[in-house]
Amino acid sequence: AQSVTQLGSHVSVSEGALVLLRCNYSSSVPPYLFWYVQYPNQGLQLLLKYTTGATLVKGINGFEAEFKKSETSFHLTKPSAHMSDAAEYFCAVSEIPGGKLIFGQGTELSVKP
Amino acid sequence: DTAVSQTPKYLVTQMGNDKSIKCEQNLGHDTMYWYKQDSKKFLKIMFSYNNKELIINETVPNRFSPKSPDKAHLNLHINSLELGDSAVYFCASRPDSQETQYFGPGTRLLVL
Repeated sequence: AQSVTQLGSHVSVSEGALVLLRCNYSSSVPPYLFWYVQYPNQGLQLLLKYTTGATLVKGINGFEAEFKKSETSFHLTKPSAHMSDAAEYFCAVSEIPGGKLIFGQGTELSVKP
Repeated sequence: DTAVSQTPKYLVTQMGNDKSIKCEQNLGHDTMYWYKQDSKKFLKIMFSYNNKELIINETVPNRFSPKSPDKAHLNLHINSLELGDSAVYFCASRPDSQETQYFGPGTRLLVL
C-alpha cells in the first residue's frame, strides 16, 4: 500500500535561508509524486510534480524537488525563503496517472524576518 | 474565471441534519474528486467520478452520497450529520490527459 511520511510537522526558517521539507514515500510501483501548498483558509495549489524523466523537477515560486528512488524520497527545497512562503506544504503520491492522491501529514513552514 | 468552485464556503449546522455541498468546474475536466481534511489537516480521498461514473469509493460511511448530474458537477450529500463530520471538504478535478488534480477553495463544515 502506498504511504507518505513528511518529517517534521513544523519547520521554521529565517527569511533568506534555505528551505528543506522532507518527504519519503512507499509505493509498490513507480510513483507519481506531487507537492502542494495550502495558504491559510485556501485550497491546495500544485507546486510541482514528478511523473517520469528528469528526477530534478522545478516548480513555481522558486521551489524544486528531487526524486531519489534509492532513498524513496522527494524532498522539497528553495534556496532562499521569503515571508510569502509561510504556508502548509503537502507531499502526495499516486500509483497511477490520475489515481487517488495519498497525502502526507503536512508540514507547516514558518518564515521569520 | 473561477476554475473549481464550491458552495457554500462555510456551513454551520446541527447534529442530525442533512446537508449538501456543491462543486462545479469550468475547465472541461473529466474526473472529479472529494477529499476530507480533518482538524489535524490530514487529507484523505473520499470519492472520485469520471464522466458521471463512480470510480473511487473509499471507506466512507454511507451517510455520505456523491452525485454527479453532469461532467462539470460533483455534489456531496451528507445525511444525519455527526460531530466527527466537522472538517474541510475539498473538491478537485483533473483532465484525462494529465496527472495533476486542481483543487477548489474548500467548504468548512462545522457540526454543533
